[in-house]
Amino acid sequence: AQSVTQPDIHITVSEGASLELRCNYSYGATPYLFWYVQSPGQGLQLLLKYFSGDTLVQGIKGFEAEFKRSQSSFNLRKPSVHWSDAAEYFCAVGPLNQAGTALIFGKGTTLSVSS
Amino acid sequence: GAVVSQHPSRVICKSGTSVKIECRSLDFQATTMFWYRQFPKQSLMLMATSNEGSKATYEQGVEKDKFLINHASLTLSTLTVTSAHPEDSSFYICSARDGRGDGGELFFGEGSRLTVL
Repeated sequence: AQSVTQPDIHITVSEGASLELRCNYSYGATPYLFWYVQSPGQGLQLLLKYFSGDTLVQGIKGFEAEFKRSQSSFNLRKPSVHWSDAAEYFCAVGPLNQAGTALIFGKGTTLSVSS
Repeated sequence: GAVVSQHPSRVICKSGTSVKIECRSLDFQATTMFWYRQFPKQSLMLMATSNEGSKATYEQGVEKDKFLINHASLTLSTLTVTSAHPEDSSFYICSARDGRGDGGELFFGEGSRLTVL
């Protein structure tokens, strides 16, 4: 079955501390992986995406993610968290070159930032 | 990047009425759009896949007669919640994948908060 698992429902980190949000996926075909961020009451904004090439991808707002095929993981990281990073983060997977197929989302991780 | 616009952002209606939500791709043609529903503090649940010029494909458990989807053009899909009830109150988000290039990321509308009184 195709699925995305985000093991951490809620994470709290101190401002300035590093962050890692976990994502594991199960997908039958070559996966196209994404991280989205959602602020309260807002739509989703793409942070970064990966489907091939360098397994460490850089995104917006200082985020990066590393694809590890052997672990079926695509963890999101940030070296130093800012208070404005507090939001809901979603990992998603979909097929490559199939614009007619929706993405599968994980349940999300809520990030709180303490001062 | 590609832009998807959704309207209205908030709507309050009385129980039993119908509400229409529009989703437009502003700078690309989307033969397929997706409608998601999100409950508070939960993930996105795919409701249906909207196909231009043909019937939408609904996910299991989603009532097609309650959630009417029309995709009349390559840039517009509409979701109509018919005979709305309080349990239909939710955050509805439309999205589309830009078919150009690698057919990659999903672009999201701003979402529509529906409150049924």
